[in-house]
Amino acid sequence: KAGVTQTPRYLIKTRGQQVTLSCSPISGHRSVSWYQQTPGQGLQFLFEYFSETQRNKGNFPGRFSGRQFSNSRSEMNVSTLELGDSALYLCASSLEVAGEVDTQYFGPGTRLTVL
Amino acid sequence: AQSVTQLGSHVSVSEGALVLLRCNYSSSVPPYLFWYVQYPNQGLQLLLKYTSAATLVKGINGFEAEFKKSETSFHLTKPSAHMSDAAEYFCAVSEGGSQGNLIFGKGTKLSVKP
Repeated sequence: KAGVTQTPRYLIKTRGQQVTLSCSPISGHRSVSWYQQTPGQGLQFLFEYFSETQRNKGNFPGRFSGRQFSNSRSEMNVSTLELGDSALYLCASSLEVAGEVDTQYFGPGTRLTVL
Repeated sequence: AQSVTQLGSHVSVSEGALVLLRCNYSSSVPPYLFWYVQYPNQGLQLLLKYTSAATLVKGINGFEAEFKKSETSFHLTKPSAHMSDAAEYFCAVSEGGSQGNLIFGKGTKLSVKP
């Protein structure tokens, strides 16, 4: 089975621009979560989507948004980019089997650099 | 609120020596605990997870972790370090079995000396 894929792998933007990152989960997985990883703050949860609905949200400003499509693929969008948004953005998918502990499987990440 | 503390941002061991990476958690409910490893320029790979079935959990690459409720700890160990173990290790906690919100520790960077 193919793993979680994220595109693009690297991205350079300038302040004020917006960006869209894409994530394709493992086949059959319906939950997709997004995390931001920075040297200073570590790994922080952004949001989670399940069956096209946002189920959980972390403590990030409204400039960060996401969505999930009917095929479980997900996108996240960051508007009005700031220098501090430079980070590795990780996507994770999980299967969600009733009665089992959910395990998240991570993609390789998208490295966003804001200049 | 849940939290995870990893003691030691950097740990250095010699090849063949014991690896011990420490993780303490705080949770108001029985937690689900995970250890992930991250190699440079890569995503996170699951090493092992605690689901309350057994307190000693065996993972991939010879790693294991023991859940100790009285100490609120979930330390990661490996009897003999290999050069390929050099990476960053993250401990994470989740309250719900089906919630996509993991709380991560700050990570411990493991160096292995020849």
